[in-house]
This record gives sequence, structure tokens and C-alpha cells, in this order.
Amino acid sequence: DAGVIQSPRHEVTEMGQEVTLRCKPISGHNSLFWYRQTMMRGLELLIYFNNNVPIDDSGMPEDRFSAKMPNASFSTLKIQPSEPRDSAVYFCASSFAYYTPKFNEQFFGPGTRLTVL
Amino acid sequence: GQQVMQIPQYQHVQEGEDFTTYCNSSTTLSNIQWYKQRPGGHPVFLIQLVKSGEVKKQKRLTFQFGEAKKNSSLHITATQTTDVGTYFCAGPTSTGNQFYFGTGTSLTVIP
Repeated sequence: DAGVIQSPRHEVTEMGQEVTLRCKPISGHNSLFWYRQTMMRGLELLIYFNNNVPIDDSGMPEDRFSAKMPNASFSTLKIQPSEPRDSAVYFCASSFAYYTPKFNEQFFGPGTRLTVL
Repeated sequence: GQQVMQIPQYQHVQEGEDFTTYCNSSTTLSNIQWYKQRPGGHPVFLIQLVKSGEVKKQKRLTFQFGEAKKNSSLHITATQTTDVGTYFCAGPTSTGNQFYFGTGTSLTVIP
């Protein structure tokens, strides 16, 4: 089992550029989560999907952030335009939930370390 | 503001000493989950407690969920160097769709 796959693992970009982070959840999981981790703010839940439908996006910082899940095996988190304060590690996690809202064990990907210069 | 706080933020112990981290939520949680994150790694699920007052053990680790379902603790007996990492509690609020991670406790074990 490959686990949750994230790409890229590292991304360095300049302020104002568009950044797209990608995630492939574990096959069979129906919930997908995007987190951001920084020293100052810790681990923050940005958005989560259940059966490809966004359930709660209250953690998305602002309109510059958007997330999509076009199918059960792929999700993207896009930042446009990026700013230096977006520098962080972004984790994707997946789980299986019999119903919504339901939060079971989450399996995290290795994360994408984003640096915005 | 931050919904789930953990204390202490940092803890240094000699190998063989015990360690405890406390988790406090401003709201009632449906369940409490604990994760461990090694330096440079990603959070890894340890356990989930659901019932009020529940206690679970995993070898040297003891987890407790408070009666009011607003607090929890993780106790490690006789720490080992492999216990190094940051321990997070996490859980969904009982009133809505929100899920929060605690602020974390970073454990350093001195051999």
C-alpha cells in the first residue's frame, strides 16, 4: 500500500506566483483533509472533503486559497497569488468515514514544504 | 482563537523517566485522537478514545479521556529515545463539522 501521496515534496517560488499542491489519498478512503503546519500556528485544518464534496472550508485563510477534488483519487490545493506568509508545510490526509461528519483515524502524507520568496 | 491547548509545550526528560502531556479543549469533543510526529516527519495516528472517562493502554503509553469530554492526557512510562517527537491531541467538536489539532507537546529524551 503506497499510503497518501503528495507532490511536490518541496516547492520554492516567488511571491505572486501560482502554486498547486497535489494529493492522492489511500484507495478506498472517502475523506480527504488539507492541513497547514507552521511554528507559529501549529497544525491547522484548511478544508476537508467527504465523498469528493467539500464539507468545511472555514479554515481556508482567504480567497487566494482554493481546493478541488474532481474524483476520489485526486485533490489539489492552489494558492494564487502566493505570498511569503504562505510558507509552511502542507499536509494531505485521508480516512474512511461511514457517515458525515465523522472523523476517524487519519493517514497523513509526507507533506509539501512550500517556501515563497 | 486556539480551541485545543496542550501543556507543556516542551518537555525534556532523562531516559527512563515518565512523561505526561495534557490536552484541554474549550468545547466538548466527540472523540479524542492522539498523533505522534517525529522531527521532519508527518503525524502518525496512535489511538482514538470515544467514551467519557475512557482509559486505554498501549504498552508504555496510557491515554485518558476526561469525564466532560473536554480534556485528555497521554502518559508515557519509562521513556525511551524512540519516544522523541511531538505529541498532538486532536478531535471533532460535538456540535459541528470542526476538527482541531492541539498545540502539541515536544518531547526530548536525553540518553
